[in-house]
Amino acid sequence: RKEVEQDPGPFNVPEGATVAFNCTYSNSASQSFFWYRQDCRKEPKLLMSVYSSGNEDGRFTAQLNRASQYISLLIRDSKLSDSATYLCVVSGGGNKLTFGTGTQLKVEL
Amino acid sequence: ETGVTQSPTHLIKTRGQQVTLRCSSQSGHNTVSWYQQALGQGPQFIFQYYREEENGRGNFPPRFSGLQFPNYSSELNVNALELDDSALYLCASSSKSGAGETQYFGPGTRLLVL
Repeated sequence: RKEVEQDPGPFNVPEGATVAFNCTYSNSASQSFFWYRQDCRKEPKLLMSVYSSGNEDGRFTAQLNRASQYISLLIRDSKLSDSATYLCVVSGGGNKLTFGTGTQLKVEL
Repeated sequence: ETGVTQSPTHLIKTRGQQVTLRCSSQSGHNTVSWYQQALGQGPQFIFQYYREEENGRGNFPPRFSGLQFPNYSSELNVNALELDDSALYLCASSSKSGAGETQYFGPGTRLLVL
């Protein structure tokens, strides 16, 4: 079983749609959780950290369920510029980041 | 941009050769982590350097080695290259070595092994 599992997609959605990505992780000792965004042939960039209480940044909302070892990302009012691969990331001690394989999002006109 | 730079941007090698990749961390950062990203996969942790010492290693063979210099820049060395080493190699810097510290990635080095 992979340490971090994501649906690879692609998710093809129209502009303005709401889309949700899910992720599960296997290590119950994981301490920190993130969503990174990666554009084609570019480096990953931090989108947002994920907290147990849930957190929101503009059109993006992230949720963490430690009991179920489940992380989610909700994108509202999708824009063309949101097209990218979204990587679910967990971290244990020592700052090693463990990435999922990524979920590809394509926002269309 | 993150301020993390990597060189070279692209590299072509043949099986059995050796390669050295370089990374300059963001100003004020003392921790550098290296990741390998194969096509269609997420980045995989290779190792981390904190204040010039290796501080954690992923599931990579000993032919993957590294260094960190007093200015906190870092090198990744790969000996006896194999075809499966073809990947994007990413370095990331952070201000501390600890869970939760944001890591900032460089643009990566694309390595092709023929």
